[in-house]
Amino acid sequence: GQQLNQSPQSMFIQEGEDVSMNCTSSSIFNTWLWYKQDPGEGPVLLIALYKAGELTSNGRLTAQFGITRKDSFLNISASIPSDVGIYFCAGQLGGSNYKLTFGKGTLLTVNP
Amino acid sequence: DSGVTQTPKHLITATGQRVTLRCSPRSGDLSVYWYQQSLDQGLQFLIQYYNGEERAKGNILERFSAQQFPDLHSELNLSPLELGDSALYFCASSVAAGGADTQYFGPGTRLTVL
Repeated sequence: GQQLNQSPQSMFIQEGEDVSMNCTSSSIFNTWLWYKQDPGEGPVLLIALYKAGELTSNGRLTAQFGITRKDSFLNISASIPSDVGIYFCAGQLGGSNYKLTFGKGTLLTVNP
Repeated sequence: DSGVTQTPKHLITATGQRVTLRCSPRSGDLSVYWYQQSLDQGLQFLIQYYNGEERAKGNILERFSAQQFPDLHSELNLSPLELGDSALYFCASSVAAGGADTQYFGPGTRLTVL
């Protein structure tokens, strides 16, 4: 089945730094999504990307849908302590196939 | 708050037992998805229901079953339980009206099998 490779697995940064993480896939997706999960909580949707090449921002977060449809990245600018958590990418084929395929996650730690 | 509710929050039980996890989707959402999250497998899709009917199946074991009721809430049944079933179980809901479909996740049920 499809697999998503998400990197890095973990990051430890200083408050104020920018962060970048990415996902690559062995096959195409028609929708890419980025979620954040806090301990003991469910994933929360951050950004959804619906078109190859699309660049979308949500506050300090920016994500792009790769033109090959096999990759996506998420940038966080000027990190703050509440950015701590696990970030997941997810791909969706769409059409009649709505299941999400998730990456393994990036654990982000922000040092105040 | 995503608008998706799940009960119970925590469940501790023994091998061989049966448990039922409950999910209520966001108002207006017709589709419910179940996912399992474990340390070794990550987040894995189990099954999807749309307006009461099974729509798609993922890595769901034969010991697990699910259904979606006329009021659109869904239940995931696990029986007989094994140690390896210990995990977080998430429900997500969406409109699923066609094309791209954004899913919103509930807070999850943490299942511990002793």
